Amino acid sequence: GAVVSQHPSRVICKSGTSVKIECRSLDFQATTMFWYRQFPKQSLMLMATSNEGSKATYEQGVEKDKFLINHASLTLSTLTVTSAHPEDSSFYICSARDRTGVYYEQYFGPGTRLTVT
Amino acid sequence: SQKIEQNSEALNIQEGKTATLTCNYTNYSPAYLQWYRQDPGRGPVFLLLIRENEKEKRKERLKVTFDTTLKQSLFHITASQPADSATYLCALNYGGSQGNLIFGKGTKLSVKP
Repeated sequence: GAVVSQHPSRVICKSGTSVKIECRSLDFQATTMFWYRQFPKQSLMLMATSNEGSKATYEQGVEKDKFLINHASLTLSTLTVTSAHPEDSSFYICSARDRTGVYYEQYFGPGTRLTVT
Repeated sequence: SQKIEQNSEALNIQEGKTATLTCNYTNYSPAYLQWYRQDPGRGPVFLLLIRENEKEKRKERLKVTFDTTLKQSLFHITASQPADSATYLCALNYGGSQGNLIFGKGTKLSVKP
């Protein structure tokens, strides 16, 4: 099946610093990538959708200046959490859509655990 | 707005039995619905996708049904094993066949030996 990688898997940073998370589709081209956030025992919440070569579309309530998304190529998207604060500590998961036919299956990376101290 | 509910937060069954998980949604029927498995501290793993014009889909010990009249999908694991223990997420798309996915909170399945 399609594989999505994410790096790093865990990161601890100090409050006020920025953190970059990379997401790659390894064996397929992903014109659309998604970034989700998940708190313990909660559902995945979509943060933003990005299409290759264009600006990301952010969900309501997600600060676009805080969560910078770049989708530079068909296989790479990055999420940068700028000026991180403890409340940004969460599990961040990226996803990529595999264009097969009319309906699109969506594959997820292994996630990145961010802890802001 | 579209809502999706997975009725049971947790389900405990005995090894060898069939596990049945339920996913209900409100409002309009999605073009397709997906089921995922998520282990602790890991991203979701895609299991099955069922389209709105399909009643049932199977993959090895997994079976998914989709009833657009009841606005419900059932996910079955037959001959369950302890290794099947995980959280199972139901997700449906909104905004057409190219729309984004919204997820249920998941059902945590525990299979006891």
